[in-house]
Amino acid sequence: QLVLTQSPSASASLGASVKLTCTLSSGHSSYAIAWHQQQPEKGPRYLMKLNSDGSHSKGDGIPDRFSGSSSGAERYLTISSLQSEDEADYYCQTWGTGIQGVFGGGTKLTVL
Amino acid sequence: EVQLVESGGGLVQPGGSLRLSCAASGFTFSSYSMNWVRQAPGKGLEWVSYISSSSSTIYYADSVKGRFTISRDNAKNSLYLQMNSLRAEDTAVYYCARGLRESLNYWGQGTLVTVSS
Repeated sequence: QLVLTQSPSASASLGASVKLTCTLSSGHSSYAIAWHQQQPEKGPRYLMKLNSDGSHSKGDGIPDRFSGSSSGAERYLTISSLQSEDEADYYCQTWGTGIQGVFGGGTKLTVL
Repeated sequence: EVQLVESGGGLVQPGGSLRLSCAASGFTFSSYSMNWVRQAPGKGLEWVSYISSSSSTIYYADSVKGRFTISRDNAKNSLYLQMNSLRAEDTAVYYCARGLRESLNYWGQGTLVTVSS
């Protein structure tokens, strides 16, 4: 069964960097994922598509501070030079074989 | 500018029906697949349904299969979700999102559906 696992929370200081992790379940390490950001009381915003080889394509207007990388079944979102507006929930998302969208449980990022 | 605007949410009793709409602008609607995604209060995102650009391919989450129907009208640049036999656990903000697979690259602001007696 395809499952995406994310830590419920993360924190980092203003101006620092943070790396969020999304783990694909066993047997699915080749899957691409997407990262989405959801600021408080807003709809989600697409950040990027991230492939298993670490290549990624970002959405319109996404700053260079956001980048993605991969290692095995792990997919990472790195945010550098953290700003207050980066405080948000971050979701990874993929697509099951053929017919189902799947989301991770989300990581709540606090900027200290 | 791509815009997706959901409407049609509201309070409905268990067992009732509701039809959501998503008005699209700023892009060639007929060229893109579309999705509905929901978020229960205080919870994470849950994918609900997918429809291809020509309506030839449709998928549903197991949790809504047989109760919800996705459709679109490319002439009206609109996406719909007909929700029947609503349950308390269907209470959520419903978002429409453009794209397919790992490229759900534009989202609306959502419309709240509350199922309660």
